[in-house]
Amino acid sequence: DVKVTQSSRYLVKRTGEKVFLECVQDMDHENMFWYRQDPGLGLRLIYFSYDVKMKEKGDIPEGYSVSREKKERFSLILESASTNQTSMYLCASSLGGVNQPQHFGDGTRLSIL
Amino acid sequence: DAKTTQPTSMDCAEGRAANLPCNHSTISGNEYVYWYRQIHSQGPQYIIHGLKNNETNEMASLIITEDRKSSTLILPHATLRDTAVYYCIVRPSSMNTGFQKLVFGTGTRLLVSP
Repeated sequence: DVKVTQSSRYLVKRTGEKVFLECVQDMDHENMFWYRQDPGLGLRLIYFSYDVKMKEKGDIPEGYSVSREKKERFSLILESASTNQTSMYLCASSLGGVNQPQHFGDGTRLSIL
Repeated sequence: DAKTTQPTSMDCAEGRAANLPCNHSTISGNEYVYWYRQIHSQGPQYIIHGLKNNETNEMASLIITEDRKSSTLILPHATLRDTAVYYCIVRPSSMNTGFQKLVFGTGTRLLVSP
């Protein structure tokens, strides 16, 4: 079974802090994704990586950056956290190529106070 | 992603088959039908996907109509742990980055009762 592990289930941070969300997958997947999920807005893609050190912006990259130094690990960084970044953050991974399902972690519910 | 239409909610008795319909009348030839579910406070879980043939795995079966305009996800023996929101989406078979992202609609809230 694919295992995508996110470092925290719940996290509370303060406005202006730099926040790191970590994601690790154990299936040697090429692709990794960061989404956020908000009521009424559904799932929105923040960033996507198709290889080590490679990244592409999704639909809402503002205020975020990512790092992929190793194939199994994809980090999401909130440079200066703001209250509108309070959300559920979901990491996913998939094999490269077309028609590959994405497998998700359990999510990190982040609250910015 | 092409638009899909699903019922807002459905009920199912434990042990019975749950049949979740999805309408995707504007699906095009290279688009696959995917099903995910999301149990409360957890990440989405991939269930199954298909192009035009029926598919079965250890979790469910996917029946796609011959014209591909609709499909049905079948959970053969529903358990209480199958209570979740089920999302049907269509995705093109493309390497284009823009098509890699998943876009969920509102899904079907399935309640399995004892």
